[in-house]
Amino acid sequence: AQSVTQLGSHVSVSEGALVLLRCNYSSSVPPYLFWYVQYPNQGLQLLLKYTSAATLVKGINGFEAEFKKSETSFHLTKPSAHMSDAAEYFCAVSRNFGNEKLTFGTGTRLTIIP
Amino acid sequence: GAGVSQSPSNKVTEKGKDVELRCDPISGHTALYWYRQSLGQGLEFLIYFQGNSAPDKSGLPSDRFSAERTGGSVSTLTIQRTQQEDSAVYLCASSTWPRGRGSSYNEQFFGPGTRLTVL
Repeated sequence: AQSVTQLGSHVSVSEGALVLLRCNYSSSVPPYLFWYVQYPNQGLQLLLKYTSAATLVKGINGFEAEFKKSETSFHLTKPSAHMSDAAEYFCAVSRNFGNEKLTFGTGTRLTIIP
Repeated sequence: GAGVSQSPSNKVTEKGKDVELRCDPISGHTALYWYRQSLGQGLEFLIYFQGNSAPDKSGLPSDRFSAERTGGSVSTLTIQRTQQEDSAVYLCASSTWPRGRGSSYNEQFFGPGTRLTVL
């Protein structure tokens, strides 16, 4: 079975500071990993995905994540936070790269301090 | 349509009533998913339809929950005899069919959700 754990249900950073949202996975098979973002009163939007082609994955809005097998981690980072980054972020895992149900973490709410 | 649509956007019902939630996937998307987002359980998978295959119902929490997909397009999630713990946001997502082995990821596009409140 696959699962993901997000450390920190709430994270606050100052505008312009580094954003780091943590995600650790557990999987019996090579995982496919994703980060989704949910803005207030909106649906989920895919930020980036890990496909095993490269361990450092770049996504939209300046976000990136690094797959570290030795640490079973897939942390999300952004060098400089912007006010518009305030949202809830979900890490997710699936068994297959194609159509497959997603197993989500509990989410991290990111607040940006002006 | 431009994206996945869901209706109603909000539904308030009394305990014990039945409710139906509707999802219109993106045109041409053959895979359709239902998820539930609640305070106590986070985001959890409910059911998955893929083309003409039997649906994956492994995430449905009880036999009060059922879903159907008519004509390979619109889907309806039905909750019978609603309970207060059914209060949540119900999200629908759709994606295209993978084309062969090693195909690229078929992103799941999510709708805005239906917020269900059971009094």
